[in-house]
Amino acid sequence: GAVVSQHPSRVICKSGTSVKIECRSLDFQATTMFWYRQFPKKSLMLMATSNEGSKATYEQGVEKDKFLINHASLTLSTLTVTSAHPEDSSFYICSAIAGGRETQYFGPGTRLLVL
Amino acid sequence: SQQGEEDPQALSIQEGENATMNCSYKTSINNLQWYRQNSGRGLVHLILIRSNEREKHSGRLRVTLDTSKKSSSLLITASRAADTASYFCATVLTGGGNKLTFGTGTQLKVEL
Repeated sequence: GAVVSQHPSRVICKSGTSVKIECRSLDFQATTMFWYRQFPKKSLMLMATSNEGSKATYEQGVEKDKFLINHASLTLSTLTVTSAHPEDSSFYICSAIAGGRETQYFGPGTRLLVL
Repeated sequence: SQQGEEDPQALSIQEGENATMNCSYKTSINNLQWYRQNSGRGLVHLILIRSNEREKHSGRLRVTLDTSKKSSSLLITASRAADTASYFCATVLTGGGNKLTFGTGTQLKVEL
């Protein structure tokens, strides 16, 4: 149990385009989902916390208009990287947690390359 | 600054040996968790230890927590080549809800 999927697993796009990444909890209801960014050989940096049905809470330094997060249901959150630039190239990982629980379950990640 | 610092940054051992990784943090925590990440993949939750616990075991894993020193260690006994991965500690700060703050990670390589 406790499986989280991400789609796509990797994406290459041109500079200026927008990219949407989906995060789904497959076998549990995720009241909260988190979005992280990871640079090569570095740790994970939390970008935002997303609660179902409400606006996401962004970490300091993360542009809300650049990284749009929607958590429309208890099993799906999406991250849209708008007007992507090469510096947005990174590994994006989501995690999900069920209400009242402590353990976050992570998706397999999405590798974004912006040309 | 980042909450958790881990050492060593990289560790290379022979199969069958034990691997110890350390994590230090700076502020009061609710719990501390250890995760494993294979190259280019997502994270796998290994173990959670609460602030009122001192030691926890799970299979070949042993985690200790010293809140007075604000440090934790992860011991992997009888390591296997398949244990090769990056290991991260992550803390849930007191009053921080469920937000995880990750450490810098230790890259473990277990050689045959």
